[in-house]
Amino acid sequence: KAGVTQTPRYLIKTRGQQVTLSCSPISGHRSVSWYQQTPGQGLQFLFEYFSETQRNKGNFPGRFSGRQFSNSRSEMNVSTLELGDSALYLCASSSGQGVIDTQYFGPGTRLTVL
Amino acid sequence: AQSVTQLDSHVSVSEGTPVLLRCNYSSSYSPSLFWYVQHPNKGLQLLLKYTSAATLVKGINGFEAEFKKSETSFHLTKPSAHMSDAAEYFCVVRDNYGQNFVFGPGTRLSVLP
Repeated sequence: KAGVTQTPRYLIKTRGQQVTLSCSPISGHRSVSWYQQTPGQGLQFLFEYFSETQRNKGNFPGRFSGRQFSNSRSEMNVSTLELGDSALYLCASSSGQGVIDTQYFGPGTRLTVL
Repeated sequence: AQSVTQLDSHVSVSEGTPVLLRCNYSSSYSPSLFWYVQHPNKGLQLLLKYTSAATLVKGINGFEAEFKKSETSFHLTKPSAHMSDAAEYFCVVRDNYGQNFVFGPGTRLSVLP
């Protein structure tokens, strides 16, 4: 099976712009979660989508949003970018069900905001 | 609510010596526990997981972890460190009634020649 893919791998934007990141989960997985990773804050949970619905949400401002399509692919959008949004954004997919649910991560998108 | 504590932010060992990365968790219900490894500028790779089948869990690359309910611990060990083990290691908990995966702050492992 192909793993989790994320596009683009690298992105450079300027303050005030918006950005959209994409994640394609492992075939058959219905849950996609997004995380932000920075040196200072570590790994922080953004949100999880399951069957096109947001199921869980972390403590991030409304500038961070996402969606999931019927094929389980997910996009994350950040509007009005700030310098502090520079981070590695990781996507993880899982079945989303059962007690042995396991997340598998993509390689990440490195976002730099100038 | 679940939480994870990784007691050491940085561990340094010599090549060929044992590795011990410590993890303690808090969970209201019976948890699933995971260890992930992250090499520089890479995504996270699953090392092993505990899901109540056996308390001693073997993972990839010679790593293993033991679930100790009485100590609420899930420490990661390896008998002999290799240079390629140098990376960041994350302990993760998910309780079986919740849905969120909660990550620890990570432990950076350095392996000295």
